[in-house]
Formats: sequence, structure tokens, C-alpha cells
Amino acid sequence: DTAVSQTPKYLVTQMGNDKSIKCEQNLGHDTMYWYKQDSKKFLKIMFSYNNKELIINETVPNRFSPKSPDKAHLNLHINSLELGDSAVYFCASSPTQRGNTGELFFGEGSRLTVL
Amino acid sequence: DQQVKQNSPSLSVQEGRISILNCDYTNSMFDYFLWYKKYPAEGPTFLISISSIKDKNEDGRFTVFLNKSAKHLSLHIVPSQPGDSAVYFCAFGNEKLTFGTGTRLTIIP
Repeated sequence: DTAVSQTPKYLVTQMGNDKSIKCEQNLGHDTMYWYKQDSKKFLKIMFSYNNKELIINETVPNRFSPKSPDKAHLNLHINSLELGDSAVYFCASSPTQRGNTGELFFGEGSRLTVL
Repeated sequence: DQQVKQNSPSLSVQEGRISILNCDYTNSMFDYFLWYKKYPAEGPTFLISISSIKDKNEDGRFTVFLNKSAKHLSLHIVPSQPGDSAVYFCAFGNEKLTFGTGTRLTIIP
């Protein structure tokens, strides 16, 4: 059983399209995240949700809209895709927002290519 | 404003020898320092962590050292094994983690 699962794993699309990436965790964690790994291999946080509530929004363009229907799911919708959005997007979860050791459990990543 | 730096993008080590991966940081407010390991086409997986109040933490072949005065974190793997070949990220954080750019470790049989 995959602890943090993302779909799709690969996504190729044209500029200007809208796409979504889904994430689900079966670890019973309260907090979920989206991270972006760009071409320079930086892993940067985009969003964090705790029990469906947005906690962190790291200066991400508003074309990116996360949605958390329940604490086990955090989806990422991207409008009007641009070339610079090409990256690997990682979903992650952790047991609690505060007071934990910072350990995150990552999904396998979703590689988005915008043509 | 890169707060975390891994200055060696790659490292090759003979099997059985010690691998030493290094990380420097600028922000002193972190509570925890972590190392993650990543294989191709997989997400990063947690390896070992250390609290800011300690200077060493050991787990089997892996030892993490924290030098707060130098703002330096290192990971020692001994003895190195072929399965250790991966990209290693250091990370720091409280409520969110800030990651380094990674060091690709290759263990030569």
C-alpha cells in the first residue's frame, strides 16, 4: 500500500491549458504539502494544509489553486499553464504541523512538461 | 536567498569507505535538521534527523553532525554500500522544510 500517492505520474500538456494533480495519503496525517522541484533541482514548498485549512502559501502565482476536500487529500489545480511551470511536483504529508521532527513523507512525484 | 547550500553536486566513494556529505545554512532559527535520500523517479525519503540542541545523532551506519557555531551539518555513512547511491538532500525547518539542492552520491563497487 502506497502511503502517499500522486496521479498522474507524468503529464505533458500545451501552454495555456488547465491541469490538476491529485494526492492522497493513507497515513492518517493531519498536514499535507505541495513541493516543486524545478530544473535546478531546488525543492521548494508551495502550500501546506492542516486539517483542510491552508497554513502556508509561499508566494505562488494565483494560477495555482490547492484544494483539500478532506485531510487525506490535497489536489493541485493549475490554470493557464506556462513553460516555467514545467517541473516535478511532490506531494507530502506529516503527522502534525507543529512540534514534530519535521519528517515528511513524500509521494513519488508528478513530472509536468509544458510545451 | 538560498538559506541552505550543498556545495558538492556530486561525490564518488569506494564501497566500504566513509561517505561524508556536507551542508551549510544561514538561518539559525531552525529546530530540526534532516537528511533525505532520493532515488530516481521516487520521492525523497527521510533518513536521519538531529535536534538543534544536539551535536550528534547516530543510526546504524548513518551519523549526522551539527556544528551550530559554523552553521554546518554533515552526514557520515560508514561503511558505504552500493545501495547508498542516491541523491542526498539536507533540510531544515520548523513548520516547513527548506531543502538544499542535493548531492549525488555514487558508491563504486
